[in-house]
Amino acid sequence: DTEVTQTPKHLVMGMTNKKSLKCEQHMGHRAMYWYKQKAKKPPELMFVYSYEKLSINESVPSRFSPECPNSSLLNLHLHALQPEDSALYLCASSHRAGGSNEQFFGPGTRLTVL
Amino acid sequence: GESVGLHLPTLSVQEGDNSIINCAYSNSASDYFIWYKQESGKGPQFIIDIRSNMDKRQGQRVTVLLNKTVKHLSLQIAATQPGDSAVYFCAENKGNNDMRFGAGTRLTVKP
Repeated sequence: DTEVTQTPKHLVMGMTNKKSLKCEQHMGHRAMYWYKQKAKKPPELMFVYSYEKLSINESVPSRFSPECPNSSLLNLHLHALQPEDSALYLCASSHRAGGSNEQFFGPGTRLTVL
Repeated sequence: GESVGLHLPTLSVQEGDNSIINCAYSNSASDYFIWYKQESGKGPQFIIDIRSNMDKRQGQRVTVLLNKTVKHLSLQIAATQPGDSAVYFCAENKGNNDMRFGAGTRLTVKP
């Protein structure tokens, strides 16, 4: 299995809702990432987990809350989002923490906040 | 702040021609660079990478060139095909899994 899966593919939520995005990989990778991508823009790094510990938090608002239950799973909990948070949320994983190594991306969850 | 960027936002080439996509970076401390391809509705896909101790690396139909003197990175695609149409991002790995993407270039291949 050489892919990163993300669910759901699409999500529409109101500003008072609580929802979660899920990401899974079974490649034995020990680093996992969340990126946010607005239309016609590059992916922007949000969070990095290395060996299930949060290693990079790019000053993301607290309405986004990451969680790494185990080395194969990564969640992003959403609460009280704003319309400007509408974007494609990408999950990625890489073989090991630190150094230079390829990141494998999932297809993303397209989020719309009404 | 220092960032990775691209010279051209769009590039249109004829099928069968060679394509060159450029990228300028300003963080001289970065020692690893990656080119990604992103098709519509998909996540970025790894194409090729290069470390700063190299100036050229070749893959299947793709070549990456790194000029550290002028902080310039390029991706060359030989015999461009319609399936190569996508947005191409260069990215620099600043270490500790901190990946930063450039602005992206949309490549359109005309039949």
